[in-house]
Amino acid sequence: EVQLLESGGGFLQPGGSLRLSCAASGFTFNNYAMTWVRQPPGKGLEWVSSISGSGGSTFYADSVKGRFTVSRDKIKHTLFLEVISLRADDTAIYYCAKDVDFTVTTLLDNWGQGTLVTVSS
Amino acid sequence: QSALTQPPSASGSPGQSVTISCTGTSSDIGGYNFVSWYQLHPGKAPKLIIFDVTKRPSGVPDRFSGSKSGNTASLTISGLQAEDEADYYCSSYAGTLTFGGGTKLTVL
Repeated sequence: EVQLLESGGGFLQPGGSLRLSCAASGFTFNNYAMTWVRQPPGKGLEWVSSISGSGGSTFYADSVKGRFTVSRDKIKHTLFLEVISLRADDTAIYYCAKDVDFTVTTLLDNWGQGTLVTVSS
Repeated sequence: QSALTQPPSASGSPGQSVTISCTGTSSDIGGYNFVSWYQLHPGKAPKLIIFDVTKRPSGVPDRFSGSKSGNTASLTISGLQAEDEADYYCSSYAGTLTFGGGTKLTVL
C-alpha cells in the first residue's frame, strides 16, 4: 500500500523558513516523479512544485519560484520542500503526491494527508 | 494558466445522479485529454477518481464517470451515496498542472 506522510508544518513568522518532508513507502520511490500541492484555508488546490524520479528536473509555480526548493533523498525515500522568506499567503495545507510516471506528468495517483503551515506574526 | 471554472456547490439526494462541470479553454481541457478529478474529504488524503477524461483508477466505483465536450469536462456521480459528500476538484495536466476552484457536493 502506497503511503505518503508529510511533516514539518507548524506556526511560523513572516520572513522565516521551513523544510517540509514527505516520507514515502509502499512503492519504488526512485521510479516516480513527485509533486507538492497546497490548499490555503477555505480555498482551492494550487500546484506548487514537481520533481522527476531522478531529481534532475524540477518545476515550480511562478508564485513560489525563487523561494521554494524541491529535492528528494534516494536512500531515505523522502521528498522535501524548502521554503524561505515565508509570507502570509504561504499559509496552507501542503500535500505531497506521487506521479504515475518517472517523468513529471502531474497526474497524481496517491496523495498524503497533508501538513498545515501557518504564517503569521 | 488560469484556474478552471467549477460551480462552488452541487447537491443531490441519495440514489440520484449529479453532474459537476469544469470549464477551461482550448489550451487545456479543449486541447488535450488530460483531465482528472480528485475527491477530497476533510482531513483525509485527496483521492484520484478519474483520469484521462474518462478512465477510473482501480477500486473507484463505476458510479463515477467522466466526459468532455469542447472546453468543458464533467464528472457524473450516479446512485449518490452519503459517503460521496465531499469536495471535488477537476484538473488539467496538459502542461502546467491547473485545478478548478472545487465543488462542494452535499448529499441531502
